[in-house]
Amino acid sequence: AQSVSQHNHHVILSEAASLELGCNYSYGGTVNLFWYVQYPGQHLQLLLKYFSGDPLVKGIKGFEAEFIKSKFSFNLRKPSVQWSDTAEYFCAVNAAGATNKLIFGTGTLLAVQP
Amino acid sequence: GAGVSQSPSNKVTEKGKDVELRCDPISGHTALYWYRQSLGQGLEFLIYFQGNSAPDKSGLPSDRFSAERTGGSVSTLTIQRTQQEDSAVYLCASSSWDRGQDEQFFGPGTRLTVL
Repeated sequence: AQSVSQHNHHVILSEAASLELGCNYSYGGTVNLFWYVQYPGQHLQLLLKYFSGDPLVKGIKGFEAEFIKSKFSFNLRKPSVQWSDTAEYFCAVNAAGATNKLIFGTGTLLAVQP
Repeated sequence: GAGVSQSPSNKVTEKGKDVELRCDPISGHTALYWYRQSLGQGLEFLIYFQGNSAPDKSGLPSDRFSAERTGGSVSTLTIQRTQQEDSAVYLCASSSWDRGQDEQFFGPGTRLTVL
């Protein structure tokens, strides 16, 4: 069965610090990978996604993620965080071509201090 | 255009009662999903509908949970004989179908509290 691990449950950073949130998945086949974000009081929304091609993908608001197939990882990065990045971040995966259902990690709560 | 809407936004019920949660997907989206978000469990897939295909019910936690989608649009998630462990935020999402590569658009959720 597929699973997704997010190792950092709660991260606190100061503004302008760099961010890297870890995500590892467990699945033997080809996957599609996603990062979703939930800002306080708002709906879940897509940050970025990877299907194929360049393993470094760029999303909204300066976020990027790198797919490393050998490590089953899809870590999220941002070089300089802002207070407005305070949110909960979810990594998700689905089995490419097989199903559309997303398997989510447990989420990482990011608090950025001004 | 309107996004995914869900009703009610909050539901408080007593243990043993049945509840119905409603989801209105984005117009034209053929795929509809239900997830559950609870403390310590993260986001769990429950069920998804794709067009006229049989729904994928593999995430439903027990036979007390069921869902239907009428006319390829609105969906209702029903929980019978609710238990305290059913307390969670129930999220609905919809998407167009693009071999699993499509973005799922989420609604605001229904917060269910079972007393």
